[in-house]
Amino acid sequence: DAKTTQPNSMESNEEEPVHLPCNHSTISGTDYIHWYRQLPSQGPEYVIHGLTSNVNNRMASLAIAEDRKSSTLILHRATLRDAAVYYCILRDHYGGSQGNLIFGKGTKLSVKP
Amino acid sequence: DSGVTQTPKHLITATGQRVTLRCSPRSGDLSVYWYQQSLDQGLQFLIQYYNGEERAKGNILERFSAQQFPDLHSELNLSSLELGDSALYFCASSVGQTGELFFGEGSRLTVL
Repeated sequence: DAKTTQPNSMESNEEEPVHLPCNHSTISGTDYIHWYRQLPSQGPEYVIHGLTSNVNNRMASLAIAEDRKSSTLILHRATLRDAAVYYCILRDHYGGSQGNLIFGKGTKLSVKP
Repeated sequence: DSGVTQTPKHLITATGQRVTLRCSPRSGDLSVYWYQQSLDQGLQFLIQYYNGEERAKGNILERFSAQQFPDLHSELNLSSLELGDSALYFCASSVGQTGELFFGEGSRLTVL
């Protein structure tokens, strides 16, 4: 499976934007970039996903590099509730292991008031 | 509330025992996934079912087994339990095999 690399931890101030980077230099053409987050004592929850173009939804934005070897999850205004572990995952929508999400260590985001 | 229901929420048992964890997926979701989360291993993919059939296997031990029933609920059976099996077990479901995964709140297993 293609791997992702994320910083172990990041800090942000409340109400400021947060840019969470992810490197995936071995991404294949059929890999979608998915982001999930896990709040303390909860199961992971979907944040956003994309293939080539930048994506926006009510939770966040996903900026994908032109060569697709890296991406950035953008939280426009961090709140205390955004403190969580953020996982960047490559998901093959067409290969034999389609559907599986293989989680790495993720980035633990701390938000300071 | 993700719509995925897992029971029991907490379970304490002894080494050598066998337990069954149950998962009810969201209405209409055909895929069910099981994950194990321990402090030192992070979230590990165990197994996936789609409409009753096993579709993918991850790091699932031979002592563990799972199935998905005709009503689409799933059970994860853990036998000959060891201390190291203590973990949070998450179930997730999705509509197909590439849709967004919705996770339950997990079943916390403690093996003494």
